[in-house]
Amino acid sequence: EPEVTQTPSHQVTQMGQEVILRCVPISNHLYFYWYRQILGQKVEFLVSFYNNEISEKSEIFDDQFSVERPDGSNFTLKIRSTKLEDSAMYFCASRLDPRSEAFFGQGTRLTVV
Amino acid sequence: AQSVTQPDIHITVSEGASLELRCNYSYGATPYLFWYVQSPGQGLQLLLKYFSGDTLVQGIKGFEAEFKRSQSSFNLRKPSVHWSDAAEYFCAVGNTNAGKSTFGDGTTLTVKP
Repeated sequence: EPEVTQTPSHQVTQMGQEVILRCVPISNHLYFYWYRQILGQKVEFLVSFYNNEISEKSEIFDDQFSVERPDGSNFTLKIRSTKLEDSAMYFCASRLDPRSEAFFGQGTRLTVV
Repeated sequence: AQSVTQPDIHITVSEGASLELRCNYSYGATPYLFWYVQSPGQGLQLLLKYFSGDTLVQGIKGFEAEFKRSQSSFNLRKPSVHWSDAAEYFCAVGNTNAGKSTFGDGTTLTVKP
């Protein structure tokens, strides 16, 4: 069964450093998303991406965040200067179209120290 | 704006007992509704979804949910709970345009032997 894959599964970084979280969506999917889950809290929407541009973003997705689809397979989330409060599980998701289900990756646990 | 309320933060049931997890949503149009399950440190697994049609939907692992438009609810049920069902359960409502999902706070299910 096709799946969304995320790498790395766990990343530890120092405050102020840049991190890039990587995702490989399902190959024929066209809509891509990043979500965040702070430990013990709910899953929060960060950004949606379609046709090589951001289609919607939340208040959380400020200037320190950016997304990119550098080639035909990867979808990345960059955090320019990490803060302690960026520590969370980050989930990538993809779907074929808005009227189909989203498939989530297993997540990347980001720990900022 | 779309939103989801899961009134029960934590539910404990005995193995073999029936289960109902409550979910209420707010959305301006016909919603897309989902239930996900998350084991500790793991990703999100889709249990079932409602897009249209029959308001009683069947999912994996013996779960079902009923969409009730008049009550803005999408409660999850299982007739007989197994110890392996212990996990966090999230209800989500999907946006039919950009396709983003908004999650509830989650319900933690504990299963007593």
